[in-house]
Amino acid sequence: GAVVSQHPSWVICKSGTSVKIECRSLDFQATTMFWYRQFPKQSLMLMATSNEGSKATYEQGVEKDKFLINHASLTLSTLTVTSAHPEDSSFYICSASAGGGNTIYFGEGSWLTVV
Amino acid sequence: QKEVEQDPGPLSVPEGAIVSLNCTYSNSAFQYFMWYRQYSRKGPELLMYTYSSGNKEDGRFTAQVDKSSKYISLFIRDSQPSDSATYLCACNAGNNRKLIWGLGTSLAVNP
Repeated sequence: GAVVSQHPSWVICKSGTSVKIECRSLDFQATTMFWYRQFPKQSLMLMATSNEGSKATYEQGVEKDKFLINHASLTLSTLTVTSAHPEDSSFYICSASAGGGNTIYFGEGSWLTVV
Repeated sequence: QKEVEQDPGPLSVPEGAIVSLNCTYSNSAFQYFMWYRQYSRKGPELLMYTYSSGNKEDGRFTAQVDKSSKYISLFIRDSQPSDSATYLCACNAGNNRKLIWGLGTSLAVNP
């Protein structure tokens, strides 16, 4: 099946700094990528939909200036958590969809801990 | 009412049992139905993907969709301890690929 790679798998950063998470589709071109956040024992919460070459669409309640999303190519989307705070500590997961189908594949996720 | 309802469990079964996992949904526009498996501290893994009503089988896994009752199921035959995970159902209408998720059901298969 299709492979979506996410990097880093885990990161610890100091409060106030920014952290970038990369999401790559390895064997297909992803016209659309999604960024999710998941708290322990809870379902995935969609943060934003990222379309290649255009601005991301953010879900209600998600601060676009805090969670910067860039989808500069058909194989790469990045999520930057700016001025991170401890409450931003979470599991961030990306997923990608190829243009011609409706199948969505997920990355392995990135654990962010803000201290 | 949530668009997709799923009992979070936990569900505990002995090894070799048949497992039945279910979701209900309310949006008649949903056409695509998916089951994902998520191990602890990992991203979800696509297990089954079904379009419209019907059954789909892949090894020990069978997915069923009944659009008339808005009910989707995942059956696991001969369950193994390695099947212990959280199983999430997801639906969408197919036009914008935004998935609507169930809460996930936590499954434990005991040796």
